[in-house]
Amino acid sequence: GESVGLHLPTLSVQEGDNSIINCAYSNSASDYFIWYKQESGKGPQFIIDIRSNMDKRQGQRVTVLLNKTVKHLSLQIAATQPGDSAVYFCAENPRYGQNFVFGPGTRLSVLP
Amino acid sequence: DSGVTQTPKHLITATGQRVTLRCSPRSGDLSVYWYQQSLDQGLQFLIQYYNGEERAKGNILERFSAQQFPDLHSELNLSSLELGDSALYFCASSGGRVDEQFFGPGTRLTVL
Repeated sequence: GESVGLHLPTLSVQEGDNSIINCAYSNSASDYFIWYKQESGKGPQFIIDIRSNMDKRQGQRVTVLLNKTVKHLSLQIAATQPGDSAVYFCAENPRYGQNFVFGPGTRLSVLP
Repeated sequence: DSGVTQTPKHLITATGQRVTLRCSPRSGDLSVYWYQQSLDQGLQFLIQYYNGEERAKGNILERFSAQQFPDLHSELNLSSLELGDSALYFCASSGGRVDEQFFGPGTRLTVL
């Protein structure tokens, strides 16, 4: 399918290496964050979430870090695989009951 | 498969026309969200419905409207279409007001 985000920042990593994707969020009152993965031609898919009362959360091969002081969110992917190639979006929920605001996305390209 | 279905998958139409996009949420989900995604942009929130009622509005043009029916499926109506309306339109659903959103596969609209 046609790719989205033709002019997105791109991160290229070697297969097997760890990937770190960063996201700066805008609202210091945001209390819930989600990372989504979007493969070409598909809708975004939930990866992992974190609430503002946590600094770190781990999933399977993924870790999300939250630094509220500098309003920064990162997604770490361990042992990156070709299937990890996609666009990754962070989303913040500015206030309970309000809707998510999505970041512009980062394209992850896994090199063989 | 997220459990969210969208029809049609592709839609090609002319400027000035009107189209209707359809979304069926995951079984049991009360919230439906509509997003627009252009080639160079991330996900732009359009509108949210919760159990049949409009809950929140984002960057939705006056030419666009939506509704959620008693069976919880939703339709997004786009009228007086312009070339710039060409985009991917995603529907997402969630169980509550602020929960993980499950995205459908999207409808690709091309306005010629």
